[in-house]
Amino acid sequence: QQQVKQSPQSLIVQKGGISIINCAYENTAFDYFPWYQQFPGKGPALLIAIRPDVSEKKEGRFTISFNKSAKQFSLHIMDSQPGDSATYFCAAGYNDMRFGAGTRLTVKP
Amino acid sequence: DSGVTQTPKHLITATGQRVTLRCSPRSGDLSVYWYQQSLDQGLQFLIQYYNGEERAKGNILERFSAQQFPDLHSELNLSSLELGDSALYFCASSVGGPGSGNTIYFGEGSWLTVV
Repeated sequence: QQQVKQSPQSLIVQKGGISIINCAYENTAFDYFPWYQQFPGKGPALLIAIRPDVSEKKEGRFTISFNKSAKQFSLHIMDSQPGDSATYFCAAGYNDMRFGAGTRLTVKP
Repeated sequence: DSGVTQTPKHLITATGQRVTLRCSPRSGDLSVYWYQQSLDQGLQFLIQYYNGEERAKGNILERFSAQQFPDLHSELNLSSLELGDSALYFCASSVGGPGSGNTIYFGEGSWLTVV
């Protein structure tokens, strides 16, 4: 019952580089697409979110790109920093929230 | 601190036993969600309650049950425990349902180890 597919499973990026994580969803009823950041031993925390009526949302170094027709959305982390090293989850929601499998990002100094 | 409180933080129990995980949502939040996170398994949605009533159900096993009480706290009951139930169980809360764009806030999780 994987309604949200996330890739890659892990990602290694050099400091200052761009990290890109992709997600695809199946249920066209989803109308809210957040990204969560999880550090070891902590619960996931909301990073940035988008609604399907816009194609892009930017907050600082973090940008969501959304393609409604393709049912895909992605997270771009510009100027990646070692402190960004964490697991990132995409999610899609309507009456409940379904999460992708997660991407373990490592940013090397 | 997200404002969502989960107890206990760690729990070790034997196979076949039953445990109860407790969650207090953020003040004012009416929805409570339970998720299971196993190694390399991501966040598996178990169940959602809204203002005391079951709102949505995911991959929750029949051995598991949950409820939300009038004071809005919630409990997840896990019975006939198996080794494969060892996981991190998260509770999360939101003001309403996620369809309206409400942010879900996660607790720190309850680590369950079944031996």
